[in-house]
Amino acid sequence: SQQGEEDPQALSIQEGENATMNCSYKTSINNLQWYRQNSGRGLVHLILIRSNEREKHSGRLRVTLDTSKKSSSLLITASRAADTASYFCATDPNDYKLSFGAGTTVTVRA
Amino acid sequence: DVKVTQSSRYLVKRTGEKVFLECVQDMDHENMFWYRQDPGLGLRLIYFSYDVKMKEKGDIPEGYSVSREKKERFSLILESASTNQTSMYLCASSSQGDYGYTFGSGTRLTVV
Repeated sequence: SQQGEEDPQALSIQEGENATMNCSYKTSINNLQWYRQNSGRGLVHLILIRSNEREKHSGRLRVTLDTSKKSSSLLITASRAADTASYFCATDPNDYKLSFGAGTTVTVRA
Repeated sequence: DVKVTQSSRYLVKRTGEKVFLECVQDMDHENMFWYRQDPGLGLRLIYFSYDVKMKEKGDIPEGYSVSREKKERFSLILESASTNQTSMYLCASSSQGDYGYTFGSGTRLTVV
């Protein structure tokens, strides 16, 4: 069943701007992960944040997690054309089976 | 470079055919998964396996079966393909513990 829901569904930004997308989920989790998918390809793992963590950074990515609100956000700073992709959040309730949302499509304009 | 390899990128099959989608990983991962991806629906879990010869149903197993005879290989079988099984199929693997999935490039299956 689909656990996570990303918001917005689509986002268009200028190169150099920041992109923020949100994910809400319904049940308790062990960790939450973000993935990127370039058009027609497989998903690539970006970052994992555990339920006892509040914030995590990886390069130009910043992820926050608020377990009391059952929500997470992904921030991409100083966006580039190569960041154009769909972004998915996925939740792990502690059984290694990830539930994915429907994704946010990000378009970075030159 | 570690990876998950799916045997076909594009596949066209006829209604009623038995279809095999193969997935091989070279990372010695215990867990393997099959998802299908449809526009607006995200990824839905079909079957998964935590070990050799072990399989469990995901959220949408109807019309599918799987086989895991070796640790590195996880096959998805469409017993009798139907047009509503036209979709992108994604295989993934992971280790036990808090690790992300490694996905294959996907197989876009069209059933006509």
